[in-house]
Amino acid sequence: AQTVTQSQPEMSVQEAETVTLSCTYDTSESDYYLFWYKQPPSRQMILVIRQEAYKQQNATENRFSVNFQKAAKSFSLKISDSQLGDAAMYFCAYRSAGGANNLFFGTGTRLTVIP
Amino acid sequence: EPEVTQTPSHQVTQMGQEVILRCVPISNHLYFYWYRQILGQKVEFLVSFYNNEISEKSEIFDDQFSVERPDGSNFTLKIRSTKLEDSAMYFCASSYYRISYEQYFGPGTRLTVT
Repeated sequence: AQTVTQSQPEMSVQEAETVTLSCTYDTSESDYYLFWYKQPPSRQMILVIRQEAYKQQNATENRFSVNFQKAAKSFSLKISDSQLGDAAMYFCAYRSAGGANNLFFGTGTRLTVIP
Repeated sequence: EPEVTQTPSHQVTQMGQEVILRCVPISNHLYFYWYRQILGQKVEFLVSFYNNEISEKSEIFDDQFSVERPDGSNFTLKIRSTKLEDSAMYFCASSYYRISYEQYFGPGTRLTVT
């Protein structure tokens, strides 16, 4: 079974600085998708960024980028120029490219942004 | 922007009681999901639903659980006889395609079983 591990329960960053959230996963599949979801307090989880395993290029969405290391099964999220609105719970998630389309989540990292 | 909504936001029930958690997926979406998160643990998949039937379910989704789309808009999760260990946050999600990149999540229902 696929497992996703987020080893940082909490992180903090100064406003305008850069922070990296870690995620590792375990799978025997070669084709899959990886996601970072953001959950602000009392709000829905929203998709921040996704990475297809077959793509070597790391995904980027504005201030958010990932460092995808397929051999190491590592998928970290970098937030540049952190803003107060980035404060949230961040979940790393895995989904198979074939078969079941349910998501496997990590336990989350709570990010605090310090003004 | 369309959103998935869930009601109630918090439900308190006594052990052994039946509860129904309600979700309104995004209107043109075809695939629906329930996940749950026990406090301090991972978000876990329960079940996916398409074309009025369950398409996948996890080991957690036993005979105590059922899902239904009673009309064109609601998607419900029923727990027949709640246990203390059912206390969790329950998230509904929907997507347009089965292999859509994004599943859209609701804000969750916190279920507390006493």
